[in-house]
Amino acid sequence: DVKVTQSSRYLVKRTGEKVFLECVQDMDHENMFWYRQDPGLGLRLIYFSYDVKMKEKGDIPEGYSVSREKKERFSLILESASTNQTSMYLCASSEPPGGNYGYTFGSGTRLTVV
Amino acid sequence: GNSVTQMEGPVTLSEEAFLTINCTYTATGYPSLFWYVQYPGEGLQLLLKATKADDKGSNKGFEATYRKETTSFHLEKGSVQVSDSAVYFCALINTGTASKLTFGTGTRLQVTL
Repeated sequence: DVKVTQSSRYLVKRTGEKVFLECVQDMDHENMFWYRQDPGLGLRLIYFSYDVKMKEKGDIPEGYSVSREKKERFSLILESASTNQTSMYLCASSEPPGGNYGYTFGSGTRLTVV
Repeated sequence: GNSVTQMEGPVTLSEEAFLTINCTYTATGYPSLFWYVQYPGEGLQLLLKATKADDKGSNKGFEATYRKETTSFHLEKGSVQVSDSAVYFCALINTGTASKLTFGTGTRLQVTL
């Protein structure tokens, strides 16, 4: 089975801190994604990457950046954490074209910014 | 653009009741449709999928039929169990959107004894 592993299940950070959320997948998938999940809003795409060093903005990229130096690892960076970034963050990966196979998700990181 | 609309939750049912969670979509072309499930404290898992009109996806007693004429993909189960309590997400991928999934807002299902 494909595994997508997110490094932390729970994080508490202070306002203004730089925060790194790490995601690793073990099936050589080309596409990787970062979503945030908020009650009543569902999942919203922050950034995605379809190859090493390639990235594209999703629907809500403001306040975030990403890094993909190796195919298996996709990092989400909060440059200066704010309380409105308190959320559940979900990483996912898929093979191209992605449509017929769906995504494989990690277990999520619940981030609280205080 | 693409969008997915799900019925508002929460949905509360007794064990062995019949479940329907409505999902409609807006998309150009021929999207693939998915249902994902999120159990408490976990990430999302693919429940079932359908890739063309009139396809029926099924898994774990759940079913959904891709209805292009009504742009719908309703999730059904004949007899729910307490263990089905979770949040269910309808989603689509349109091949013209770089493999990005568009999700509905999710429907929480609570099954009681």
